[in-house]
Amino acid sequence: GAVVSQHPSRVICKSGTSVKIECRSLDFQATTMFWYRQFPKQSLMLMATSNEGSKATYEQGVEKDKFLINHASLTLSTLTVTSAHPEDSSFYICSANLRRVGTDTQYFGPGTRLTVL
Amino acid sequence: QKEVEQDPGPLSVPEGAIVSLNCTYSNSAFQYFMWYRQYSRKGPELLMYTYSSGNKEDGRFTAQVDKSSKYISLFIRDSQPSDSATYLCAMSGYDKVIFGPGTSLSVIP
Repeated sequence: GAVVSQHPSRVICKSGTSVKIECRSLDFQATTMFWYRQFPKQSLMLMATSNEGSKATYEQGVEKDKFLINHASLTLSTLTVTSAHPEDSSFYICSANLRRVGTDTQYFGPGTRLTVL
Repeated sequence: QKEVEQDPGPLSVPEGAIVSLNCTYSNSAFQYFMWYRQYSRKGPELLMYTYSSGNKEDGRFTAQVDKSSKYISLFIRDSQPSDSATYLCAMSGYDKVIFGPGTSLSVIP
């Protein structure tokens, strides 16, 4: 099956610092990757859609200057949380889109637990 | 009305029970239907993927789609404690995937 990796799995940082999270599709190319945030006991919340070679599309209410997304290749997308604050502490999950005829299936990374002190 | 509705639970069943998880949707353009399982502190993993109305079976799991009623189900037979997780339905048309909010399931030994 399609495998998506995410690094790091867990990060603790001080308030005001920036954190970069990588999402890689290991055995398929993904022109589109998605970034989600999930707070405890809540569902996935789509933050942005990352398209290879173009600017990301952000969901309403998500600050694009705070959550920088780069999709430089067909197998790698990065999310940088800039000037992180404690309220940014969350579980960040990426997914890579595998396109089949007429539809898309998302395969998820294992997630990154971010704790901002 | 939300595009995809799912009972959030929590749902608690004894080991060995048959579990029924359900989603309804409003957009008739959805043609592909998926079920994901998410363990605590992990990313979701794809369980089942179906296209047409009807049933698809994979081991203890059966996915059922009724396009006329805009209703999908996931049945788990002989449920095990290891099935305890959050189950998310998802569906897609031609451009994006929409997820349900997830149902939390606990299987009690």
